[in-house]
Amino acid sequence: EVQLVESGGGLVQPGQSLRLSCTVSGFTFGDSAMSWVRQAPGKGLEWVAFIRSKANGGKTEYAASVKGRFTISRDDSKRIAYLQMNSLKTEDTGVYYCTRDNYDPFTGMDVWGQGTTVTVSS
Amino acid sequence: SYELTQPPSMSVSPGQTARITCSGDALPKQYAYWYQQKPGQAPVLVIYKDTERPSGIPERFSGSSSGTTVTLTISGVQAEDEADYYCQSADSRATYWVFGGGTKLTVL
Repeated sequence: EVQLVESGGGLVQPGQSLRLSCTVSGFTFGDSAMSWVRQAPGKGLEWVAFIRSKANGGKTEYAASVKGRFTISRDDSKRIAYLQMNSLKTEDTGVYYCTRDNYDPFTGMDVWGQGTTVTVSS
Repeated sequence: SYELTQPPSMSVSPGQTARITCSGDALPKQYAYWYQQKPGQAPVLVIYKDTERPSGIPERFSGSSSGTTVTLTISGVQAEDEADYYCQSADSRATYWVFGGGTKLTVL
């Protein structure tokens, strides 16, 4: 079964750090690009970060709102994608989803995890 | 920064056709994708590459594109289609993804 399971969410104070993990099963993780997408309470979806497969250079991209504070990475041997979040702000609060991102061949984010909740509050 | 514009809400009666639009300057150059999200659930991809439907998505879901506007059409709307719908695409240089603000579809 194709599955993504996020973990690592929690309650932190502004300025602190958190690392999210996305554990993959059911497909060849090493061949796949991944994205993180978040959703603030009662709001819409916001793309956060993207990482290509190592075979395609492992290039990363970030939304302007998190560039310089968040880092996406991957460990293909463990089948895990990470999102390191530093200097957290209250506006980073929300549910964070991990997705398989088929940017090429343009078949979309076809697999999503159930999400992990991040709350940034003093 | 690049934006995709959707109507915030729409309502239809069961059996009618719902058409949800998404506008953006780069849509003539970049593919669009559509996601359905029900309360408390993760989004589900319903349309990719403007018009393609993933396996398992009912045939009543279709997509179209014309210039700077893409449209998600749900024919013969059913009560279970009540959800939030989001379009997604890339900026003109394909350097980042953008989601539309979402459209809340209510089935009367």
